[in-house]
Amino acid sequence: GENVEQHPSTLSVQEGDSAVIKCTYSDSASNYFPWYKQELGKGPQLIIDIRSNVGEKKDQRIAVTLNKTAKHFSLHITETQPEDSAVYFCAASLSGTYKYIFGTGTRLKVLA
Amino acid sequence: GAGVSQTPSNKVTEKGKYVELRCDPISGHTALYWYRQSLGQGPEFLIYFQGTGAADDSGLPNDRFFAVRPEGSVSTLKIQRTERGDSAVYLCASRRGTTGNTGELFFGEGSRLTVL
Repeated sequence: GENVEQHPSTLSVQEGDSAVIKCTYSDSASNYFPWYKQELGKGPQLIIDIRSNVGEKKDQRIAVTLNKTAKHFSLHITETQPEDSAVYFCAASLSGTYKYIFGTGTRLKVLA
Repeated sequence: GAGVSQTPSNKVTEKGKYVELRCDPISGHTALYWYRQSLGQGPEFLIYFQGTGAADDSGLPNDRFFAVRPEGSVSTLKIQRTERGDSAVYLCASRRGTTGNTGELFFGEGSRLTVL
């Protein structure tokens, strides 16, 4: 079936450094790619999303890039802060459905 | 405004018992999803409602799982003859439903189910 692969599973960075998380999807007709942040005991919360007609989107310290040819997209967090520590999930819409397929998550730790 | 509300937040039951999990979506959101999240994994799709009807139930693992949304608002996920493998966090999410197959999912905090 269709899936989304996410790497790395864990990532530790020093405060102020950048963090990059990468995802690969299998459905070439996927057209929507959201990123969610999940804190302990909470539900996932959308932090940024990108549609297939755009190659890059930025919102303050967060950016997402999309390479449709290679079927991968990445989350970039600059100037990381301790409050960025959480689990991050990428997702992709499954064409012809209303489903979003999620990656397996990346646990980001920002060290003060 | 109120977000997505899920009850109970925690449920411990014995193998073989019946369980109901409730989701109260954001008012006006016509699309409602149930996902299941096992420890260390991403959310796994179970079922999607548009209004009152289950538009896609392809993620339900077997016929012990059933969900309803009789008035197009509150939804209940029902699990019969629970098994230890059903232990997970069950997440509900709602979406405005006017954005095709895209748009933000608003998640509740989940119902943690433990089957002993």
